[in-house]
Amino acid sequence: KNEVEQSPQNLTAQEGEFITINCSYSVGISALHWLQQHPGGGIVSLFMLSSGKKKHGRLIATINIQEKHSSLHITASHPRDSAVYICAVGVSGSARQLTFGSGTQLTVLP
Amino acid sequence: ETGVTQTPRHLVMGMTNKKSLKCEQHLGHNAMYWYKQSAKKPLELMFVYNFKEQTENNSVPSRFSPECPNSSHLFLHLHTLQPEDSALYLCASSQEYSLSTKNSPLHFGNGTRLTVT
Repeated sequence: KNEVEQSPQNLTAQEGEFITINCSYSVGISALHWLQQHPGGGIVSLFMLSSGKKKHGRLIATINIQEKHSSLHITASHPRDSAVYICAVGVSGSARQLTFGSGTQLTVLP
Repeated sequence: ETGVTQTPRHLVMGMTNKKSLKCEQHLGHNAMYWYKQSAKKPLELMFVYNFKEQTENNSVPSRFSPECPNSSHLFLHLHTLQPEDSALYLCASSQEYSLSTKNSPLHFGNGTRLTVT
């Protein structure tokens, strides 16, 4: 069992919909990252957080340390949001390596 | 422009070939990384260099040989690869080698799509 689990694996939405992607982890962490990977392969770091909530434009990331759970929300989704969204954690006591989830493939239809 | 540039973008090589992947970062970072991304699998860390010194080798087969001549450049030398080595190879950098700190997000390149025939 992977230490980082994402759900859903695949998500198709209509343009304008509110989207939630979930990440659960089973280890103690010092930081959690949300990454975006476009079809060409390049990866962009969206958020790095260790508590609470962060917002950037239409993207919101939240984390609940006690429940070992994080969510990435996209408001007013757009086809250009179509990408793979990856959750990764820095494990406490071994914080030098990130442990990655398998990603969520998001497709937003016009 | 991501600040991390990888070349080539695509590479097809036979099992007996020798090739090299190149990564260059213009961000003034001190740590550089090689990751492997196979289909349907999570990213796997291969190597970490911190201030040009290799600090992590994640049980990678010797047919992959990294080189870091300076803190801006990172190479991955490939020889006698196997078809199962076909994957997307991603380079990344960070300000420092401690990904738990709030000031060290990872910056990735666009990757090299490698196919071994």
